[in-house]
Amino acid sequence: RKEVEQDPGPFNVPEGATVAFNCTYSNSASQSFFWYRQDCRKEPKLLMSVYSSGNEDGRFTAQLNRASQYISLLIRDSKLSDSATYLCVVPASGGSYIPTFGRGTSLIVHP
Amino acid sequence: SAVISQKPSRDICQRGTSLTIQCQVDSQVTMMFWYRQQPGQSLTLIATANQGSEATYESGFVIDKFPISRPNLTFSTLTVSNMSPEDSSIYLCSVDTNEKLFFGSGTQLSVL
Repeated sequence: RKEVEQDPGPFNVPEGATVAFNCTYSNSASQSFFWYRQDCRKEPKLLMSVYSSGNEDGRFTAQLNRASQYISLLIRDSKLSDSATYLCVVPASGGSYIPTFGRGTSLIVHP
Repeated sequence: SAVISQKPSRDICQRGTSLTIQCQVDSQVTMMFWYRQQPGQSLTLIATANQGSEATYESGFVIDKFPISRPNLTFSTLTVSNMSPEDSSIYLCSVDTNEKLFFGSGTQLSVL
């Protein structure tokens, strides 16, 4: 299994829809996880952190399933401005100082 | 958090020339990371820059092609040397603060 895997999409959804992305990871020792948002030709920006079972921030919910080694990002009531690429990131651990990035999931929200 | 100023934001260069990208951080950090992101791809780590020692390069990247400087704990440069069209990409610097990554705004490089 690759270290961090994401469905590249694109996910094409109408405004107001609920959409969820998954990210699987291979390092069972990882304790924390992050979702980043990257707009076209821009730098990634931190969206949410996931340290235990989950985290909620407005329309965004991130959940962690340690048994199955995946994290998910749920977006409710999608807005046009949510259109972006969402990157799953696993910080460095186990003697490595290098974080691991997923390939990113592309979301397109249309009117 | 950390605020990183990266420049230039974009450049168009002729093949065979070199471009130096600068990143300035608003706080002292031990490690700075340099990434490349090609169109439609995720980030690929080029090297890790530590102050006072040589940068550590990832597989596929060499110092002659991507020399890095790290003169102090708030500043680093990455040079893309002897450029070819294959070097056209977005280059990003990053720092790790309490496991969270913060990025410069990126340098969009086009090589003709």
